[in-house]
Amino acid sequence: RKEVEQDPGPFNVPEGATVAFNCTYSNSASQSFFWYRQDCRKEPKLLMSVYSSGNEDGRFTAQLNRASQYISLLIRDSKLSDSATYLCVVTDTGSARQLTFGSGTQLTVLP
Amino acid sequence: NAGVTQTPKFQVLKTGQSMTLQCAQDMNHNSMYWYRQDPGMGLRLIYYSASEGTTDKGEVPNGYNVSRLNKREFSLRLESAAPSQTSVYFCASNGRTSGDSYNEQFFGPGTRLTVL
Repeated sequence: RKEVEQDPGPFNVPEGATVAFNCTYSNSASQSFFWYRQDCRKEPKLLMSVYSSGNEDGRFTAQLNRASQYISLLIRDSKLSDSATYLCVVTDTGSARQLTFGSGTQLTVLP
Repeated sequence: NAGVTQTPKFQVLKTGQSMTLQCAQDMNHNSMYWYRQDPGMGLRLIYYSASEGTTDKGEVPNGYNVSRLNKREFSLRLESAAPSQTSVYFCASNGRTSGDSYNEQFFGPGTRLTVL
C-alpha cells in the first residue's frame, strides 16, 4: 500500500465548476499536511498547508481528518489557470522534515 | 533571491557514463533534498541532508551518491548511469517563510535526464 494515495484522475471540469480531490495517508504519526501544485514540466510549488481545523485560501479549501487519515482539497469557481496536477504531501516527525508525496491528481479546466 | 537553482536543465547520457547534478540555494536553509519523478510514481526521495556535513538515504538511493559541499550546495552524482535512471530530478530545500508557522519545501526547476 502506498503511503500517500490519490485518485490520479484526470478530472476534466468546465470553468466555474466546483471540484474536490481526496487523499489518504497510511502513517498515523504524520505531522504536517500540504497540497502542492505542479504545472506541466515545472517544479512543484506549495499551494496551501492543511490545518486540523480546516482552512480556506480564496477559492481553495483544505480539510484534514486525522481519525480517518484523510485530506481533501476543494476548488470552487474553477478557472482555466487552475489546470495542473495537485499533489498531496505528508511530512514525518523527523528533524529533516521528510516529505512523502502522492502521485498527484491531474485537473483540466475546460472553457 | 534566486531560490533553488539546478544545473544542467537537460542531459543525455549513455549507459555507464557518470555525471553530477548541481544544486544551490540562497535561502540559508539547513535541509536539502534530491528527488526523482517518474510518470505515475510521484516524487521519490533519493537522498537528503538535514544540515551541512550530514547526508542520509531516502527511499531510492541505489545508484546515486551525494555531497553536501557547504550550506548552499548539494550535489547528486550518478557513477554509472543506467536506463532505469531516466527521470526528472528535482532538488529542494526546506525552510520557513517569514510569517508562516510551517516549513515550506522549495524546489529547483528540475533536470531532465535521459540515459540511452
